Amino acid sequence: DAKTTQPTSMDCAEGRAANLPCNHSTISGNEYVYWYRQIHSQGPQYIIHGLKNNETNEMASLIITEDRKSSTLILPHATLRDTAVYYCIVRVYYTGTASKLTFGTGTRLQVTL
Amino acid sequence: DAGVIQSPRHEVTEMGQEVTLRCKPISGHNSLFWYRQTMMRGLELLIYFNNNVPIDDSGMPEDRFSAKMPNASFSTLKIQPSEPRDSAVYFCASRPAGVGETQYFGPGTRLLVL
Repeated sequence: DAKTTQPTSMDCAEGRAANLPCNHSTISGNEYVYWYRQIHSQGPQYIIHGLKNNETNEMASLIITEDRKSSTLILPHATLRDTAVYYCIVRVYYTGTASKLTFGTGTRLQVTL
Repeated sequence: DAGVIQSPRHEVTEMGQEVTLRCKPISGHNSLFWYRQTMMRGLELLIYFNNNVPIDDSGMPEDRFSAKMPNASFSTLKIQPSEPRDSAVYFCASRPAGVGETQYFGPGTRLLVL
């Protein structure tokens, strides 16, 4: 499985952009990068995913380096409700389209006033 | 859309008792996942069903754990006999058909085995 490395924790001031880095240097050419977050006591929540191009949705932006060995999740205007553990995950395939996610330890983002 | 439904939300039981956790996936989703989360081990995949068939049960800790998916709208995770080290939050997630890996998680069942 492609392994990801994330900082253990980060702080961000409310209203500022939160930039969460992730290293996935062993990623294969067809493996997608997924980001989920887990707010305290809740189930993980999907945020965004990408293969090689930058992606944006209503929650966040995902910047993937050209060599695909790292990526950054950007929350453009962090709020207190964005305080959570953020997981960067490389999708693992079995055969065909069957796949799974292997969650690591993630980055604990604390948004402060 | 009610989302993924899990029951019970909380369970307290004594060592040696049988525990059954239940999950109703989102209608139309064809994949279902059971996860376990503890402080020590984080979020671990226990078993993965695709079209009601188990694809990967390599994460099931031991024979005390069993999971079934008799139809597309219901799954159970059973622990018999339960032990204190089984105390954890158990999440069920479902995923729609297709090539994506967007999983929708339920609220979890918090299990405490005394």
